[in-house]
Amino acid sequence: GDSVTQMEGPVTLSEEAFLTINCTYTATGYPSLFWYVQYPGEGLQLLLKATKADDKGSNKGFEATYRKETTSFHLEKGSVQVSDSAVYFCALSLNLGQGAQKLVFGQGTRLTINP
Amino acid sequence: NAGVTQTPKFQVLKTGQSMTLQCAQDMNHNSMYWYRQDPGMGLRLIYYSASEGTTDKGEVPNGYNVSRLNKREFSLRLESAAPSQTSVYFCASSASGTLQGYTFGSGTRLTVV
Repeated sequence: GDSVTQMEGPVTLSEEAFLTINCTYTATGYPSLFWYVQYPGEGLQLLLKATKADDKGSNKGFEATYRKETTSFHLEKGSVQVSDSAVYFCALSLNLGQGAQKLVFGQGTRLTINP
Repeated sequence: NAGVTQTPKFQVLKTGQSMTLQCAQDMNHNSMYWYRQDPGMGLRLIYYSASEGTTDKGEVPNGYNVSRLNKREFSLRLESAAPSQTSVYFCASSASGTLQGYTFGSGTRLTVV
């Protein structure tokens, strides 16, 4: 079935370090891909998305490129800040019919940035 | 602020008790969803409602029921709570026919003792 696999955490980095969180997916067809971020005690917020192969999603300095050939959507940021500390979820969307879509999530990667 | 509102934020139940989690959105979205989040397992879909008047099962529907009261509101009911239902519950909504992803509520942390 359709699934998402993320690199296991937790990930701990120093401020201004380069970040990569790996995400690969298995899907029939061509799903849209998403990264969500969850800050402590809050719900998930959409960070970025890509709807077709070779699309690059970007937001707040984060980027991810939809790679169909490697079925990957790795999240990157060139210089992380303490405020980026959160749990990051990779997800793909499946069409449920009647306009509804199901998001299939990876297990999440906890990121901690130290000053 | 526009978005998805869930109540309550925290709840402790005894095994066998019932309760209803409430969810409302003010973005005029057609589709609404209930997920549960468990450590190391990401989020799993419990039930969804593609549009007002319809509901369907997701991956883990056992022990739950839902009601799409109107376009804005989608409630989740636990008829007889079990410790295995201890989790964080998230409601979400999406505009139909788009690939914009979801807007999530802030969650309900439920503990069943």
